[in-house]
Amino acid sequence: AQTIHQWPVAEIKAVGSPLSLGCTIKGKSSPNLYWYWQATGGTLQQLFYSITVGQVESVVQLNLSASRPKDDQFILSTEKLLLSHSGFYLCAWSLWGGVGAETLYFGSGTRLTVL
Amino acid sequence: QQKVQQSPESLSVPEGGMASFNCTSSDRNFQYFWWYRQHSGEGPKALMSIFSDGDKKEGRFTAHLNKASLHVSLHIRDSQPSDSALYFCAASELRGSALGRLHFGAGTQLIVIP
Repeated sequence: AQTIHQWPVAEIKAVGSPLSLGCTIKGKSSPNLYWYWQATGGTLQQLFYSITVGQVESVVQLNLSASRPKDDQFILSTEKLLLSHSGFYLCAWSLWGGVGAETLYFGSGTRLTVL
Repeated sequence: QQKVQQSPESLSVPEGGMASFNCTSSDRNFQYFWWYRQHSGEGPKALMSIFSDGDKKEGRFTAHLNKASLHVSLHIRDSQPSDSALYFCAASELRGSALGRLHFGAGTQLIVIP
């Protein structure tokens, strides 16, 4: 069975401090990986996606970056946090297999508060 | 411009009642739809996808798609308190042999009153 693990569960950080969030997927080879951001009670905004190791595409510019150092790992980071970075960060995976295989499977998320 | 619009913003139904959600795409290319559900503090989970005109039923959940009007609905019969959650509609377009990025609506908050 596939599992997706996000860390940390929650973070409280100061404006201007660095950030690193992680995500690991087990039980699925070469998945598509995604980072989403969600304001409290808000919609889901895709930030990045990756279809293979070392390759990451940016969807929106929010002074964040992402990397995929291993097939099963996806990292979201920034060197300087802004107040606007507060929210719920979700990692997700999907299969690559044509129409019908694009259902997203989300992790439990990381709640980030920037003060 | 947001490609997916949902209504209502929030909905309260009594336990055992029917909950109904609406979703419309503003882009004629976006004809592939999903419904996701998110309980508070958790990640969203996919409920069902619907790509063809008509109804699709999975247990207490029924989705209906009208491609001509780009309207999709979700109905939950015999609603339970555990169904209380944020419901998202998502849509995508066909790009070659696969689907493009999912666009999510703003969500509908469902409260089931015991």
